[in-house]
Amino acid sequence: DGGITQSPKYLFRKEGQNVTLSCEQNLNHDAMYWYRQDPGQGLRLIYYSQIVNDFQKGDIAEGYSVSREKKESFPLTVTSAQKNPTAFYLCASHAGGERREKLFFGSGTQLSVL
Amino acid sequence: AQKITQTQPGMFVQEKEAVTLDCTYDTSDQSYGLFWYKQPSSGEMIFLIYQGSYDEQNATEGRYSLNFQKARKSANLVISASQLGDSAMYFCAMREGWSSNTGKLIFGQGTTLQVKP
Repeated sequence: DGGITQSPKYLFRKEGQNVTLSCEQNLNHDAMYWYRQDPGQGLRLIYYSQIVNDFQKGDIAEGYSVSREKKESFPLTVTSAQKNPTAFYLCASHAGGERREKLFFGSGTQLSVL
Repeated sequence: AQKITQTQPGMFVQEKEAVTLDCTYDTSDQSYGLFWYKQPSSGEMIFLIYQGSYDEQNATEGRYSLNFQKARKSANLVISASQLGDSAMYFCAMREGWSSNTGKLIFGQGTTLQVKP
């Protein structure tokens, strides 16, 4: 079955450490997205990529970095510059085409600070 | 700036009854798209229903329907015949930039729905 796989499901970060969240999709979608969700709140866009080797900052990109070397993969690195990284991170992809086309989401990664 | 507001942090509904989850939006665009997603405790986001601003009829998908009132800028989700499995957090979202056709969505704060047996 096609879908989006995020790993790990839970991740712990020590102070001063960079950590990388994995996102892989086999839906053949060009566009991929990273959203952050804080408890009891909606999702906020961190970074997105509409094509391989290209990506743009979202609303809360500071302290994060991404790469898009392959169509299937869009890893997110939470750097030590991100002072409040504890959150639930969701990766998504989008097929483009029809305007009513929905976002497909992975099952998320919960990042916590030790 | 575009904005989505969900004013109900939590809702309760009796099993088999209908429930309405409120969503209001703010945009200066004439063309836009509105989405509802369900997030169970497992965390993944499940697409429920879509309404385009120029769609002539309110959207329906099985037990889900969207009460779209364009003049009031509201897009309320109606769930009929609630089931225990409907207990989850529900998010209203709007596509940003109609002409760009991207997956960039603006989300509301969400409403937690609990279905009582």
